[in-house]
Amino acid sequence: DTGVSQNPRHKITKRGQNVTFRCDPISEHNRLYWYRQTLGQGPEFLTYFQNEAQLEKSRLLSDRFSAERPKGSFSTLEIQRTEQGDSAMYLCASIVTANTGELFFGEGSRLTVL
Amino acid sequence: RKEVEQDPGPFNVPEGATVAFNCTYSNSASQSFFWYRQDCRKEPKLLMSVYSSGNEDGRFTAQLNRASQYISLLIRDSKLSDSATYLCVVNMREYGNKLVFGAGTILRVKS
Repeated sequence: DTGVSQNPRHKITKRGQNVTFRCDPISEHNRLYWYRQTLGQGPEFLTYFQNEAQLEKSRLLSDRFSAERPKGSFSTLEIQRTEQGDSAMYLCASIVTANTGELFFGEGSRLTVL
Repeated sequence: RKEVEQDPGPFNVPEGATVAFNCTYSNSASQSFFWYRQDCRKEPKLLMSVYSSGNEDGRFTAQLNRASQYISLLIRDSKLSDSATYLCVVNMREYGNKLVFGAGTILRVKS
């Protein structure tokens, strides 16, 4: 399978715990995006990378969120001290160039914070 | 004001109907525009790009109005399989190729 892969697909955690999600993009895609989606809303931009460089992080994100993309390959999104409001689907997408606009999404990682 | 705004709907239409959605964007410097489709519990997928001259793909037509800062999607001869959420996406080039999604418009096509 050469698509975007995300894991874990589902994560249930207790409030205050840390969680980490991993995204493996399509291998030749140099740009990687993280989005968060809640029911009835469109994907909300979190951050994106050009190779290993994190180019932007949403101002909506608190310092509890951090993302990395070492070596410009896979990426991780970590949420520290989770809160119930963090419950959402976390989507990763990759692209060769933003000019085409064709983001290839993974199936997402669903987080439930109890 | 949100960067990208859409009417959430739902739009309930019979099979064969023509339906149109609009999307407005706040940043006049935006360069690229797209429509994505998202089925229930699935990831979004690109439906079509929106060019300045407009573009058509079968039953789907997309238009861009830069002066009024909106894009539109027209679906003709609606099929049951068109039922989905349609997401407007704007490339905020001013912010380094940040792709921003609208909240989506729900379409339900009924027989």
